[in-house]
Amino acid sequence: NAGVMQNPRHLVRRRGQEARLRCSPMKGHSHVYWYRQLPEEGLKFMVYLQKENIIDESGMPKERFSAEFPKEGPSILRIQQVVRGDSAAYFCASSGTGSNTDTQYFGPGTRLTVL
Amino acid sequence: KNEVEQSPQNLTAQEGEFITINCSYSVGISALHWLQQHPGGGIVSLFMLSSGKKKHGRLIATINIQEKHSSLHITASHPRDSAVYICAAPPFGNEKLTFGTGTRLTIIP
Repeated sequence: NAGVMQNPRHLVRRRGQEARLRCSPMKGHSHVYWYRQLPEEGLKFMVYLQKENIIDESGMPKERFSAEFPKEGPSILRIQQVVRGDSAAYFCASSGTGSNTDTQYFGPGTRLTVL
Repeated sequence: KNEVEQSPQNLTAQEGEFITINCSYSVGISALHWLQQHPGGGIVSLFMLSSGKKKHGRLIATINIQEKHSSLHITASHPRDSAVYICAAPPFGNEKLTFGTGTRLTIIP
């Protein structure tokens, strides 16, 4: 019973390139959350998705960032034209019901470094 | 002001000591999560509780909804408990988590 999977675990990009981060939720989970942890800072909510729907993207930067969770396949967090300030650890979590009393299971994270 | 506050920010203790980490929140919530982030960066969900107390091994979490306060206790602490402990809460009617800044715990052998 695999947990939440994220890949790649480490990603290095040069300024201006695109970064694609993937998250496969736990089996049976249809709710996915993306969080960002900047260096020496706490975790911050970015976006909450269900299959084929964005439920809450209030934590997403207005430009360059997008997320999707298609009917088939993993959830994708996409960062266009990356800048040094995008360097961070990006975690996704999944839950079964999306209820605010449901446990969220975290993936191992993707550490993005922008050169 | 952060909606979820933790104290202390850093805590160093000797092996075997009883550890307490505190979390206060200013928003109305229906549940509170305690997470552990290992030195390698991975995050593990320890507890989700909405009232009273939960225990798992040497870890105990308590919450007082009226006082908007939760504590995480570790009995007979061990160096492998060294990690960052984070409390997080979803405000009422909301699923996204608001996180405390974390408590960095170091247990010295």
